[in-house]
Amino acid sequence: KQEVTQIPAALSVPEGENLVLNCSFTDSAIYNLQWFRQDPGKGLTSLLLIQSSQREQTSGRLNASLDKSSGRSTLYIAASQPGDSATYLCAEECPYSGSARQLTFGSGTQLTVLP
Amino acid sequence: GAVVSQHPSWVICKSGTSVKIECRSLDFQATTMFWYRQFPKQSLMLMATSNEGSKATYEQGVEKDKFLINHASLTLSTLTVTSAHPEDSSFYICSAREDPRTGGTDTQYFGPGTRLTVL
Repeated sequence: KQEVTQIPAALSVPEGENLVLNCSFTDSAIYNLQWFRQDPGKGLTSLLLIQSSQREQTSGRLNASLDKSSGRSTLYIAASQPGDSATYLCAEECPYSGSARQLTFGSGTQLTVLP
Repeated sequence: GAVVSQHPSWVICKSGTSVKIECRSLDFQATTMFWYRQFPKQSLMLMATSNEGSKATYEQGVEKDKFLINHASLTLSTLTVTSAHPEDSSFYICSAREDPRTGGTDTQYFGPGTRLTVL
């Protein structure tokens, strides 16, 4: 059974800092690794998706890396802003049964960026 | 981009009643839809996977008779919480996988979630 772990569970930083969120996963036979943002009481917003053949993806101030050999992914947020405050979830998509695939989510990192 | 909607977004009901939640892919066809449940300050837990026209596959520990899933068309899946009890109160999120056979990206797109409160 796949397990996804995120560290730290919560993080508070002053505005303007660069920060790194960590995600580790147990199943190396992944299709992709995804990072999501979730605001309180809301659904998920997809941030970045890294295919298993890729090493990183970038979108604006966000950069996500993938290292399958070590079972790790990081989400780098540059020049953090108060609007970045949210819970960040990583999820690995793996084979399930037959041709099916499923996402397994980490428990999330709750980020607070202080103005 | 691909959009998934859920209805209702918020529902409050009395214990013992049944509640139906709809999940729709608005601009793409989805052969597979997923239902997740999220308790406060916890992550999403997959409840079941539904494929259009066939029975849903439930995760271990999820009661099939309590959480009825119907995926009758390529754009609609429904989750019915039968005889709801306060412990069923949670945030239910669906996702839909865009069918690659119709030119889709084979990506899962998530709905905005439905907050269920059972009194």
